[in-house]
Amino acid sequence: DGGITQSPKYLFRKEGQNVTLSCEQNLNHDAMYWYRQDPGQGLRLIYYSQIVNDFQKGDIAEGYSVSREKKESFPLTVTSAQKNPTAFYLCASSETGVNSPLHFGNGTRLTVT
Amino acid sequence: EDQVTQSPEALRLQEGESSSLNCSYTVSGLRGLFWYRQDPGKGPEFLFTLYSAGEEKEKERLKATLTKKESFLHITAPKPEDSATYLCAVQVRGNDMRFGAGTRLTVKP
Repeated sequence: DGGITQSPKYLFRKEGQNVTLSCEQNLNHDAMYWYRQDPGQGLRLIYYSQIVNDFQKGDIAEGYSVSREKKESFPLTVTSAQKNPTAFYLCASSETGVNSPLHFGNGTRLTVT
Repeated sequence: EDQVTQSPEALRLQEGESSSLNCSYTVSGLRGLFWYRQDPGKGPEFLFTLYSAGEEKEKERLKATLTKKESFLHITAPKPEDSATYLCAVQVRGNDMRFGAGTRLTVKP
């Protein structure tokens, strides 16, 4: 079955440490995205990529970095510069046509103490 | 500024009690409105896309409608398995998708 795999499901880190969240898709989608979800707020876009070796900042990119070396993979690094990193992180992919729905992974819950 | 507001924040229904969830939006140039269902601890699952005012889509007990300023998700005779958070999102340009905060639906048996 095609889908998006995020790992790990839960991640705990100490403040000041960088951490990388994994996202792999086998849907053959060109576009991939990272969203952050906090209680009581809508999903907020961190970064997106429409093609390999290219990506753009979303609304809340500060303190995060990404890479897109392969079509299937779009890892997100949460750096120590991110002031409030504890959140639920969702990776998504879509076809690049207009009005293509997003397909989401099952998220990684990051807790930084 | 593009905004998406969902109401109510939470809704508790008895099994079989029909109701509607609202998604109102103020955006410049709507390209599509999307409904997703999200179960606790999981990623959102796509339900519907609506493109233009007057359009309706149905899936089992769910029916989504769209006007120029809002969308409704009607739930007819809900069952406990319909309990979830329902998210609305609008696409305004390119890959810019704006999400509402969601409505948390609980259906009691």
